[in-house]
Amino acid sequence: DQQVKQNSPSLSVQEGRISILNCDYTNSMFDYFLWYKKYPAEGPTFLISISSIKDKNEDGRFTVFLNKSAKHLSLHIVPSQPGDSAVYFCILTGANSKLTFGKGITLSVRP
Amino acid sequence: NAGVMQNPRHLVRRRGQEARLRCSPMKGHSHVYWYRQLPEEGLKFMVYLQKENIIDESGMPKERFSAEFPKEGPSILRIQQVVRGDSAAYFCASSPFRSDNSNQPQHFGDGTRLSIL
Repeated sequence: DQQVKQNSPSLSVQEGRISILNCDYTNSMFDYFLWYKKYPAEGPTFLISISSIKDKNEDGRFTVFLNKSAKHLSLHIVPSQPGDSAVYFCILTGANSKLTFGKGITLSVRP
Repeated sequence: NAGVMQNPRHLVRRRGQEARLRCSPMKGHSHVYWYRQLPEEGLKFMVYLQKENIIDESGMPKERFSAEFPKEGPSILRIQQVVRGDSAAYFCASSPFRSDNSNQPQHFGDGTRLSIL
């Protein structure tokens, strides 16, 4: 029962362009939607989040959009930089404190 | 990773042995979470603990796995009689309070990679 779907396993983008990472979910009971970034041999690190009552949150080069009617979440990175190359996890959470992870998307930013 | 310490980083065990994974949360954090990542998968929640209490163990396998977070010392994830399917990366995360919103994101350690021969 996969509650968080990141259907594209990888994405390759030219440096300076926009990266758009997509995520779909099935359960509407979650309160917050998070994006974490993970480099090889390291733990995930928090990137940005959005509350279920909002539709957009922006932090520097990173913007997260939430479309609740479509149960769709996206992360935009602009401009993309080579240091952004990592695995990005879409995560849902709520009052039970569990983080429910998607499988992740591997982003490669080409110089 | 802002101070969540996991050790060992790599652990090799033979089938039937015991594995003990340790996690020291960030200073001031009293909530600890354990997750497991199988190859090509996202992380899966296992257990949520506070000092001396298990809050939620709904993600823990029913047998062979146990976790504790004593009053003093690190949190321990213990796997008895390990099998090949236990091979995975095990991550620990901590938060200062109950992590139920974006203001209290969980901070992760770098994980323990468990290999079963």
